[in-house]
Amino acid sequence: GENVEQHPSTLSVQEGDSAVIKCTYSDSASNYFPWYKQELGKGPQLIIDIRSNVGEKKDQRIAVTLNKTAKHFSLHITETQPEDSAVYFCAAPLLGGGYNKLIFGAGTRLAVHP
Amino acid sequence: DAGITQSPRHKVTETGTPVTLRCHQTENHRYMYWYRQDPGHGLRLIHYSYGVKDTDKGEVSDGYSVSRSKTEDFLLTLESATSSQTSVYFCAISEVQGDTGELFFGEGSRLTVL
Repeated sequence: GENVEQHPSTLSVQEGDSAVIKCTYSDSASNYFPWYKQELGKGPQLIIDIRSNVGEKKDQRIAVTLNKTAKHFSLHITETQPEDSAVYFCAAPLLGGGYNKLIFGAGTRLAVHP
Repeated sequence: DAGITQSPRHKVTETGTPVTLRCHQTENHRYMYWYRQDPGHGLRLIHYSYGVKDTDKGEVSDGYSVSRSKTEDFLLTLESATSSQTSVYFCAISEVQGDTGELFFGEGSRLTVL
């Protein structure tokens, strides 16, 4: 089955700096890689996703890159702001069995200091 | 926000007692999921449903059962709660399979088993 590892578990940056979170996955057949953001006391929300037919996707200050050969993908946040402080989760699909589910990484707690 | 309501939002119970958590959606989405969130483990899939009366196990299904008698409701039952089931439980819904579409999460139910 799929295994998703996420690093680092905590990340502290100064406002305006960039932040990078990395994930690796085990199933080479996986083809969809979303990132979710969880603010304090809330459920996770999708912020960006990428499919295996592209290597990079951007949405304003956030971007995701995918290296299928190495089986890893990364979230990049530029010009960080205090409101970016949250827990971020990567995910990859657990394939097979007819209905595919998402397997999440352990999460990265990002703190952006003013 | 997606129309997902979890109840109860907080519950304290004793070891050995049965507990039922309810997830109610107003989006008419086909797929529903129960995840648990624990420090160091991220979000782990307990059970999911791909239609009324159609359910299947996730990564950590031991000690849990589910039922879905209506499109809008997905119940998670702990037949005999144990301290290891102390966690925050999230319900999620999606219109398409988890590997191809966005998951919408509820706000979570915090369960403490003493």
